[in-house]
Amino acid sequence: NAGVTQTPKFQVLKTGQSMTLQCAQDMNHNSMYWYRQDPGMGLRLIYYSASEGTTDKGEVPNGYNVSRLNKREFSLRLESAAPSQTSVYFCASSAKGLAGYTGELFFGEGSRLTVL
Amino acid sequence: QKEVEQDPGPLSVPEGAIVSLNCTYSNSAFQYFMWYRQYSRKGPELLMYTYSSGNKEDGRFTAQVDKSSKYISLFIRDSQPSDSATYLCAMRLDSNYQLIWGAGTKLIIKP
Repeated sequence: NAGVTQTPKFQVLKTGQSMTLQCAQDMNHNSMYWYRQDPGMGLRLIYYSASEGTTDKGEVPNGYNVSRLNKREFSLRLESAAPSQTSVYFCASSAKGLAGYTGELFFGEGSRLTVL
Repeated sequence: QKEVEQDPGPLSVPEGAIVSLNCTYSNSAFQYFMWYRQYSRKGPELLMYTYSSGNKEDGRFTAQVDKSSKYISLFIRDSQPSDSATYLCAMRLDSNYQLIWGAGTKLIIKP
């Protein structure tokens, strides 16, 4: 069982370039999330999708856009990358809305992005 | 001031020691408390989950919540080198599923 799969695992961009991080889950979860993790800052929520067809801003949405393509896939787009977006990005999913939901998040392995 | 405070460490202890990891928080309305473990270059994974106050034990791990002090702890008994990881606390309200995260404590268990 793959769980949550993120691509790419590593990426180097120049300032102003755009890119999309892809995320797919095979656990039939309703909710999906994009976080960034920076040293000393913990995990900060960028955007989330409570269910297919809906997306909402999290704590740090500026400079990002998301698309919930279907129940399995949730992508994060950087339209014009900035050095401040250098970070490790994690996609997560949860069974929110399904019976027995506990609040547990299931994470991918992360995508390491460097913006020069 | 952050809603959830966690000492970043690193905390280095010898194998077999009892480890205590802690978080403090400011919002007295938090009801769900979680500990996630994150190995290097991996995503976090849920380790322990507690609702409201009290203790919860799972093998060598014990999670403790003291709501009066707004303080949660994770104890690891008989620590092993495989326990070396970053431990993140997270918590949320009863009515809101969004998790509020601590910054994580890096733990190193020396053989």
